[in-house]
Amino acid sequence: DVKVTQSSRYLVKRTGEKVFLECVQDMDHENMFWYRQDPGLGLRLIYFSYDVKMKEKGDIPEGYSVSREKKERFSLILESASTNQTSMYLCASRRGLNQPQHFGDGTRLSIL
Amino acid sequence: GESVGLHLPTLSVQEGDNSIINCAYSNSASDYFIWYKQESGKGPQFIIDIRSNMDKRQGQRVTVLLNKTVKHLSLQIAATQPGDSAVYFCAERSNDYKLSFGAGTTVTVRA
Repeated sequence: DVKVTQSSRYLVKRTGEKVFLECVQDMDHENMFWYRQDPGLGLRLIYFSYDVKMKEKGDIPEGYSVSREKKERFSLILESASTNQTSMYLCASRRGLNQPQHFGDGTRLSIL
Repeated sequence: GESVGLHLPTLSVQEGDNSIINCAYSNSASDYFIWYKQESGKGPQFIIDIRSNMDKRQGQRVTVLLNKTVKHLSLQIAATQPGDSAVYFCAERSNDYKLSFGAGTTVTVRA
């Protein structure tokens, strides 16, 4: 079974803090993705990575950055957290182009 | 613009009955579709996928139907069980890396 692990289930941070969300997959997948999920807006792609050290912007990259130094790990960084970044963050990975994305259980992030 | 949508936001089903969840998509160039199930407090779980060169695919208790003529996708769940209560999303691959997700249908199974 594919295992995508997100480091925290719940996280509370303060406005202006730098926040790191970590994601690890154990299936040697090439591609990794970060989404946020908000009521009424569905899943929106923030960033993705198709290989180590490679990254591409998704639909809503503003206020975020990512890091992929190792194949199994994809980090999402909130440079200066703001209250509108309060959300559920989901990480996903997939083996290749015609393969489904597999998701972690999410990190519910609250910015106070 | 391109969008993926589900026809109904909620569906109530009697335990043991079959469920049908519908999804309409707008990008006629999409070539790959996925259904996900999301239970409360968990991430989306892959159920079944289908490529555009097929019109039907079956899994364990689930069947996905693809009608490219009217750009419609459906998920059928046989003999619905209480554990099937969840939010179901369809997703459409609009380019090599991007999936577009529908808003979801909440399925409630009545005992």
